[in-house]
Amino acid sequence: KQEVTQIPAALSVPEGENLVLNCSFTDSAIYNLQWFRQDPGKGLTSLLLIQSSQREQTSGRLNASLDKSSGRSTLYIAASQPGDSATYLCAVRNAGNMLTFGGGTRLMVKP
Amino acid sequence: GAVVSQHPSWVICKSGTSVKIECRSLDFQATTMFWYRQFPKQSLMLMATSNEGSKATYEQGVEKDKFLINHASLTLSTLTVTSAHPEDSSFYICSASPGPAGEQYFGPGTRLTVT
Repeated sequence: KQEVTQIPAALSVPEGENLVLNCSFTDSAIYNLQWFRQDPGKGLTSLLLIQSSQREQTSGRLNASLDKSSGRSTLYIAASQPGDSATYLCAVRNAGNMLTFGGGTRLMVKP
Repeated sequence: GAVVSQHPSWVICKSGTSVKIECRSLDFQATTMFWYRQFPKQSLMLMATSNEGSKATYEQGVEKDKFLINHASLTLSTLTVTSAHPEDSSFYICSASPGPAGEQYFGPGTRLTVT
């Protein structure tokens, strides 16, 4: 059974810092990995999707990497802003189109 | 494109009553829809997977007679929480996929509070 772990569970940084969120998974037989953002009381916003054959994806200040063999992904946020404050969720997709989510990292960027 | 809506966005009901939540794919046909539950400060847990025109597949520990799922059309799935109790209070999120190998698109969620 796939298990997804995110570290750290919570993170508080001053504005402008570059930061890294970590995601690890136990079963490397994945189709893809996806990073989401969730604001309090809201649904999910897809940030980046990395196919199993890819090593990284970039969107603006966000960069996600994938090392499938070691079961790891990182989300890099450059020049963090208060508006980046949210919970970031990592999810991996295995056979059957099922997504397994990590516990999330709650990020607070202080002005 | 790929917009999924949920209705209602929040609902308060009394213990023992039933509540229906709708999930709609607005601009694509969703052969598969998923229902997730999220408790405060926890991640999403898959409850069930439904394919249009067939019975839903429930995850272990999810009571199918309590959480009734209907996926009667390619754009609509409903989740009915029957005989709701306070412990059913949670954030329910659906997602929809255009096919068995397609990306999942998430709805905005429904906050259910059972008093």
